[in-house]
Amino acid sequence: GAGVSQSPSNKVTEKGKDVELRCDPISGHTALYWYRQSLGQGLEFLIYFQGNSAPDKSGLPSDRFSAERTGGSVSTLTIQRTQQEDSAVYLCASSLRGGDQPQHFGDGTRLSIL
Amino acid sequence: DQQVKQNSPSLSVQEGRISILNCDYTNSMFDYFLWYKKYPAEGPTFLISISSIKDKNEDGRFTVFLNKSAKHLSLHIVPSQPGDSAVYFCAASGMRFGAGTRLTVKP
Repeated sequence: GAGVSQSPSNKVTEKGKDVELRCDPISGHTALYWYRQSLGQGLEFLIYFQGNSAPDKSGLPSDRFSAERTGGSVSTLTIQRTQQEDSAVYLCASSLRGGDQPQHFGDGTRLSIL
Repeated sequence: DQQVKQNSPSLSVQEGRISILNCDYTNSMFDYFLWYKKYPAEGPTFLISISSIKDKNEDGRFTVFLNKSAKHLSLHIVPSQPGDSAVYFCAASGMRFGAGTRLTVKP
């Protein structure tokens, strides 16, 4: 379909390993967001890309987290030296132009750190 | 800091009755609000939004009310249907989400 696609859908890794999570936004959407949802919690904003502007990284919890968006399309969220508290569902969303536009979410990547 | 709060983690209503989900916010600079619905193992889907220049927006069975002086908004679902059972998130100015309210509509 033409929705937001995230991969992998599930990832299990050992503490201390690095992980990469991928997001393919809806074609033509200039805004892309990453969130995480820990068990029983709400959506925690991580990072926001809007067109060619510098990303809003204000939600990244530590310097182990980084993200990039190549060519204004696909985005990768990287977590280095994973910790058990990084276990969560990581959600990606895109919107047509950011701002007050509704966001379209992928189904998330469930990350489990052993 | 939690700028958007949904203080009721869960709500249960009977099919056909009204469901009222509440949301409070702290930042008076927020200029638009959105509600999303989330089913298990799926991403949230957009439901309805409201700009801060309005106090009501209606779309079918869903109505959102905004009280700026109280920094409060609510989502009304009338009549509630079993398929409405989901977690509902309130969001302010795009990226600030509440913790969600799990709605259960009983047949």
